[in-house]
Amino acid sequence: EPEVTQTPSHQVTQMGQEVILRCVPISNHLYFYWYRQILGQKVEFLVSFYNNEISEKSEIFDDQFSVERPDGSNFTLKIRSTKLEDSAMYFCASSEDRASGNTIYFGEGSWLTVV
Amino acid sequence: AQSVTQLDSHVSVSEGTPVLLRCNYSSSYSPSLFWYVQHPNKGLQLLLKYTSAATLVKGINGFEAEFKKSETSFHLTKPSAHMSDAAEYFCVVSDRGSQGNLIFGKGTKLSVKP
Repeated sequence: EPEVTQTPSHQVTQMGQEVILRCVPISNHLYFYWYRQILGQKVEFLVSFYNNEISEKSEIFDDQFSVERPDGSNFTLKIRSTKLEDSAMYFCASSEDRASGNTIYFGEGSWLTVV
Repeated sequence: AQSVTQLDSHVSVSEGTPVLLRCNYSSSYSPSLFWYVQHPNKGLQLLLKYTSAATLVKGINGFEAEFKKSETSFHLTKPSAHMSDAAEYFCVVSDRGSQGNLIFGKGTKLSVKP
């Protein structure tokens, strides 16, 4: 069964450093997403991406964050100048069509620890 | 604004007994509702979804959920729990205007005792 894959599974970084989390969405999907889950809190929407541009983003997704689809298969989340509070599990996801009513498939997540 | 409330943070059942995980939602529009499961060190897997068709939705692994508009509920049930069902379960709502902004509940951790 096709799946969303994410790398790395776990990354430790020093405060202030830049981090890039990578994702390979399911190949025929057109919509891509990033969510995050801070330990003990809800899974939160960060951003959705379609046709090489951001289609929707949350208040969390400020100038510190950016997303990119550098080639035909990868979808990345960049966090500039990481802060302690960026420590979380980051989930990449994809869907064939717009989310409402359509299934969003999630990856296994990337644990980011900022020290 | 959409929201989801999972009424129990932790549910413990014995193997072979029924499972009930409760979820209430709030939505201004006709919602799409989902249940996702997360096993330890695994990603979020879709169990089932409701998108305005039949109100009783059957999912994988014997789970089902019933959409009750009058009660704004979407409880997840299974007649007989297996040890492998031990995981965290998330109730999720998506409104029709959304392009990916799924609203997650806090999650319910299901423990299954032998």
